Amino acid sequence: KAGVTQTPRYLIKTRGQQVTLSCSPISGHRSVSWYQQTPGQGLQFLFEYFSETQRNKGNFPGRFSGRQFSNSRSEMNVSTLELGDSALYLCASSFDPGQLYGYTFGSGTRLTVV
Amino acid sequence: EDKVVQSPLSLVVHEGDTVTLNCSYEVTNFRSLLWYKQEKKAPTFLFMLTSSGIEKKSGRLSSILDKKELFSILNITATQTGDSAIYLCAVEALAAGNKLTFGGGTRVLVKP
Repeated sequence: KAGVTQTPRYLIKTRGQQVTLSCSPISGHRSVSWYQQTPGQGLQFLFEYFSETQRNKGNFPGRFSGRQFSNSRSEMNVSTLELGDSALYLCASSFDPGQLYGYTFGSGTRLTVV
Repeated sequence: EDKVVQSPLSLVVHEGDTVTLNCSYEVTNFRSLLWYKQEKKAPTFLFMLTSSGIEKKSGRLSSILDKKELFSILNITATQTGDSAIYLCAVEALAAGNKLTFGGGTRVLVKP
């Protein structure tokens, strides 16, 4: 079966711009989580969506937002980009929240802010 | 705030060596500890540990959890170059859904 698909794979943006990243979960998975990975901070939880509702949010500024559609696909948006937002953005999906067996990560979107 | 610390930060070994990776944690309402392997981008699942003292094994990899001392170890025996990767430890708290708190990872390089 197809895995978690993230698009685009690579992105270069300029400071001050905004960006939207997409995540398509494994078929049948309803929970989607987003993480930011940087060399300095490691993997940090951004937010989790289930049934089109945000269930959990990490400690990130309001410039980071997301949403989930009725087909469980999710997008995250970062507005007013800063250099420090350069990172690998990973999403992960599972059937339901709390079901970490089968919790599968996508290959990520590498965002570079210049 | 939940916290996960992994050690060492990195290590270099030769094929055939045994590697032991450490993960200590502080989490309110602990539910499980997970190990992942990250070779390029997507972390891949290795183990989920919920009970103390029960070793989980998969081929040359094994892991154990000590809930009293709040740590876990991941062992890799007879290492191969394909084991070169970043190994990530994460903890899950009760009622936290899929919000995982990750450690900084241990980078393992296996030389032929």
